[in-house]
Amino acid sequence: DTAVSQTPKYLVTQMGNDKSIKCEQNLGHDTMYWYKQDSKKFLKIMFSYNNKELIINETVPNRFSPKSPDKAHLNLHINSLELGDSAVYFCASSPRGTGSSGNTIYFGEGSWLTVV
Amino acid sequence: GENVEQHPSTLSVQEGDSAVIKCTYSDSASNYFPWYKQELGKRPQLIIDIRSNVGEKKDQRIAVTLNKTAKHFSLHITETQPEDSAVYFCASSGGQAGTALIFGKGTTLSVSS
Repeated sequence: DTAVSQTPKYLVTQMGNDKSIKCEQNLGHDTMYWYKQDSKKFLKIMFSYNNKELIINETVPNRFSPKSPDKAHLNLHINSLELGDSAVYFCASSPRGTGSSGNTIYFGEGSWLTVV
Repeated sequence: GENVEQHPSTLSVQEGDSAVIKCTYSDSASNYFPWYKQELGKRPQLIIDIRSNVGEKKDQRIAVTLNKTAKHFSLHITETQPEDSAVYFCASSGGQAGTALIFGKGTTLSVSS
């Protein structure tokens, strides 16, 4: 069983479209994250949720909106896609929430988004 | 916020040699320092981590050292093998970013046989 799963794995879409990436973890973790990896391989935190509550919202355009229906799911919705949004988006999870550092973070397999 | 600097950006070694990757962090409250290995087209995978109450940790050919005073930590790989070729990322957490990992920009390690 995949611990952190995200769909779709590949997504090619046109500029201006709206798309969503779904993420689910079956590890019972309290905290979930979205990371963006750009063409230069730089991994940057976008959002962090703890028990469905937004904890971190880094400098990310408002076109990106995370949704956490329950603590096992954290979906990423992107409006009005732009060429610069092309990247690999990784979902991740860890056992405990804010204030409890030192938790191993587990990554999903990534979603390759290409905007044309 | 936290900033993690990683050097070098690329590293080429011969099989059997050692490889060292160094990172510095800015947030003195950070207390967890993992290293991830990412092969082409794959997810980052944890290879070793160290917490702030420990100065060194080893796992077979891999070791990590931490100097809290200087705010730097290093990854050491001995007896490198071609399968060690990948991008390696250092990261920190526990400071202002809470549990979220703040990553360095990565080191592309190439091991030639």
